[in-house]
Amino acid sequence: NAGVTQTPKFRVLKTGQSMTLLCAQDMNHEYMYWYRQDPGMGLRLIHYSVGEGTTAKGEVPDGYNVSRLKKQNFLLGLESAAPSQTSVYFCASYQASRETQYFGPGTRLLVL
Amino acid sequence: KNEVEQSPQNLTAQEGEFITINCSYSVGISALHWLQQHPGGGIVSLFMLSSGKKKHGRLIATINIQEKHSSLHITASHPRDSAVYICAANTGNQFYFGTGTSLTVIP
Repeated sequence: NAGVTQTPKFRVLKTGQSMTLLCAQDMNHEYMYWYRQDPGMGLRLIHYSVGEGTTAKGEVPDGYNVSRLKKQNFLLGLESAAPSQTSVYFCASYQASRETQYFGPGTRLLVL
Repeated sequence: KNEVEQSPQNLTAQEGEFITINCSYSVGISALHWLQQHPGGGIVSLFMLSSGKKKHGRLIATINIQEKHSSLHITASHPRDSAVYICAANTGNQFYFGTGTSLTVIP
C-alpha cells in the first residue's frame, strides 16, 4: 500500500513549456485534490475531483488543467508555464468515512 | 480575505512546556482538520473534528462550532514535535487552509 505518490519530485521548466504532474493513490478514495504551497500563503486548492470522470475548480485554477480518467490517478497539467507557477505542488486524496486526508510527498517546480 | 486564520505564526517552547495553537474560521464546515508538516516537507493528518474534543497521545484538539474556533494542544512538548501545524476547514468538497504555525521545541 503506497498511499499517495507524485511524479516527478522536482522539475525545472522554461517559461512557455508544458508539463504534466501525475498523482496516484491506491486506497480507492473518491476525492482527490491538487494544491500549491507558497511561502507565507499556506496551501491553496487548484482543482479537485469528487470521483472518476469529474473535476472542479478550486481557489487558484488559472493556468492549470486537470483530468481524472481513472479513479486512482489525478493529473495536473500546465499548458504554458509561467514564473508565477514556481511552487511546491501537493496532491491529496480523501475519503470522508476515513476522516483523514492523505498527502503525496510534493513536487517542487521551478519555472525560469 | 482568509477563510482560516491561525495564531501564533511562530512559536518557540522549552521541552516539557504545554503548547496551544489556535485556529479561527469564517466558512461553514463539515469538519475541521489539523495537519502536521515535517521539516522535510511531508504532510500528515493529525485529527478530524466535527464537534467536541479528540486526544491522541500528547496531542489534544478541541472545537467550538458556535464560536468557529479550534485549538490544538501539545502536552509535555518534545523536540520531535518541532514542525509546522496547519488547520484546515472542510466545507464538504473543498478544504481551506491556515498559513500554519511553525513550532520549535528547544531541548
